[in-house]
Amino acid sequence: NAGVTQTPKFRVLKTGQSMTLLCAQDMNHEYMYWYRQDPGMGLRLIHYSVGEGTTAKGEVPDGYNVSRLKKQNFLLGLESAAPSQTSVYFCASTLEEERGDTDTQYFGPGTRLTVL
Amino acid sequence: GENVEQHPSTLSVQEGDSAVIKCTYSDSASNYFPWYKQELGKRPQLIIDIRSNVGEKKDQRIAVTLNKTAKHFSLHITETQPEDSAVYFCAASWVRAGNMLTFGGGTRLMVKP
Repeated sequence: NAGVTQTPKFRVLKTGQSMTLLCAQDMNHEYMYWYRQDPGMGLRLIHYSVGEGTTAKGEVPDGYNVSRLKKQNFLLGLESAAPSQTSVYFCASTLEEERGDTDTQYFGPGTRLTVL
Repeated sequence: GENVEQHPSTLSVQEGDSAVIKCTYSDSASNYFPWYKQELGKRPQLIIDIRSNVGEKKDQRIAVTLNKTAKHFSLHITETQPEDSAVYFCAASWVRAGNMLTFGGGTRLMVKP
């Protein structure tokens, strides 16, 4: 049971390049999330998904797109990278709500992205 | 949307002392309040959480208290050890909002041996 995994671990892009970050979980979780963490700051939600085939915007969605074609995978895309997108990106997942309660979010190891 | 404020931003204590970190939230509908510990270069790890139907929860040296009326919650670490040194984040979420977490800005805790 690997939990939540992310690829790649590190990436350097030039302004205007595109890339896709992959998040995978083997816990059969319904909900998945993408966060970014800038130096010295908390995590901010980019996009999230409450099930296969669904996505929704979070707090800072501009410049990113996501897809959830399979339940276990959640992809984050940058179509035209900008220096302001230099950050550490964390994926997380959780079970769907049970009995009206929210549940623990499990985080992946992160992807450190630098845009020059 | 939800807004979570966390204080202090840095906290330095002597080994063996207690540490307290405080957070306030804005959305009275929030009902789940986790605390995460993040070591340098690592992922956030859940250390304790509390739901809105509980006022206090304890796990060994760590405790969390929640005051729904005042909309604030606190993390208490007793008998601090050097390995407690890390950045701690509070967060809040609402069950009907896709379990989206809103994080505080973090507290860097330094425990001096």
